Amino acid sequence: DGGITQSPKYLFRKEGQNVTLSCEQNLNHDAMYWYRQDPGQGLRLIYYSQIVNDFQKGDIAEGYSVSREKKESFPLTVTSAQKNPTAFYLCASSPSPGQGYEQYFGPGTRLTVT
Amino acid sequence: AQKVTQAQTEISVVEKEDVTLDCVYETRDTTYYLFWYKQPPSGELVFLIRRNSFDEQNEISGRYSWNFQKSTSSFNFTITASQVVDSAVYFCALSEGFKAAGNKLTFGGGTRVLVKP
Repeated sequence: DGGITQSPKYLFRKEGQNVTLSCEQNLNHDAMYWYRQDPGQGLRLIYYSQIVNDFQKGDIAEGYSVSREKKESFPLTVTSAQKNPTAFYLCASSPSPGQGYEQYFGPGTRLTVT
Repeated sequence: AQKVTQAQTEISVVEKEDVTLDCVYETRDTTYYLFWYKQPPSGELVFLIRRNSFDEQNEISGRYSWNFQKSTSSFNFTITASQVVDSAVYFCALSEGFKAAGNKLTFGGGTRVLVKP
């Protein structure tokens, strides 16, 4: 089955630790995205990648980092510099970075930092 | 700057009632795309529809229908004869114009729909 995998579903970390969230897709999509969702709010774009070995900051990139070494993988690292890391993180992919293509979403990772 | 507003934060209906979700957007682009997504309790967003700025035809898909009006910058979504399975958060989103790369989406705040049996 083609789709987007995010692991783990729930993640707990202590404050001050970096944590990496996994995102894998087998849809052969060129573009991939990371969003953050806070309770009762919409999604906000953290980073996106249009092609392998290239990525750009979204609206709330501070305290986060990404890599895109393989087409199917786009891991997100939440660093200790992120002031409020507790949130629901959603990864998405799109066939092309061109305008108008729908994005397909993974099941999300709920990160709790205490 | 782009903006999407979903003024209704939560709507509660009884099964079989119709429910309409409002979406108002702002953009300076003449070419843009609008989307609706459904987020069930499991958390994963499910794509429902895409509409480009040049196509103002209304669309119906089963119990779902969409009304796009450029004159009022609105893209409203109606669920007819609602069912309990329709309970979810629904998001409206806008895609930037051709000048910007990356197919980035701007999301509204979402409307939570609760359908009671």
